[in-house]
Amino acid sequence: NAGVTQTPKFQVLKTGQSMTLQCAQDMNHNSMYWYRQDPGMGLRLIYYSASEGTTDKGEVPNGYNVSRLNKREFSLRLESAAPSQTSVYFCASTGTDPGHGYNEQFFGPGTRLTVL
Amino acid sequence: GDSVTQMEGPVTLSEEAFLTINCTYTATGYPSLFWYVQYPGEGLQLLLKATKADDKGSNKGFEATYRKETTSFHLEKGSVQVSDSAVYFCALSDQGGNEKLTFGTGTRLTIIP
Repeated sequence: NAGVTQTPKFQVLKTGQSMTLQCAQDMNHNSMYWYRQDPGMGLRLIYYSASEGTTDKGEVPNGYNVSRLNKREFSLRLESAAPSQTSVYFCASTGTDPGHGYNEQFFGPGTRLTVL
Repeated sequence: GDSVTQMEGPVTLSEEAFLTINCTYTATGYPSLFWYVQYPGEGLQLLLKATKADDKGSNKGFEATYRKETTSFHLEKGSVQVSDSAVYFCALSDQGGNEKLTFGTGTRLTIIP
């Protein structure tokens, strides 16, 4: 199992450019998440998807869109990048199995994005 | 809303020292509590968890006890190693663990030989 994979690992954009961050998991998890990590602010949730075909806003959704393409893949799109979106982006996934209590969130290695 | 407050860093300790990283939380209901660790250049990994009051989570020599009366989940380790150098995040989930996590700001720990 590769776990949670993210591409690209690094990206530099100019203000106004667009791009899509890709995330995939091979653990048959239902729920997937996108977070951003900024110095001194921990991780903040951008969007999440509780199951295939559903998406919901998190704490900081402005400037982003997401697509849950299928059960494996959850992409994050920046339509018009801004310097304030310079951050490290993490994708995560978790299964749903009430009989076993909490199911661990597994994180990808991250995408470091710089917007000039 | 839910929030997590953790000890600000950075924290620098000598090898074999005792470690405490404080974490307190605010949440409605009965949250599950977690400590995640992030090694340089990597994503977060679950270190330990506790799902109800008085539970003690433990892993790799680290421990934390869910204290409902003080709304705390402090991370401790009796003797730290250089390999423990990382950023540590306290987090909570208030939906039985299958919904979104609320994170603290992280504490950077550096262990010197």
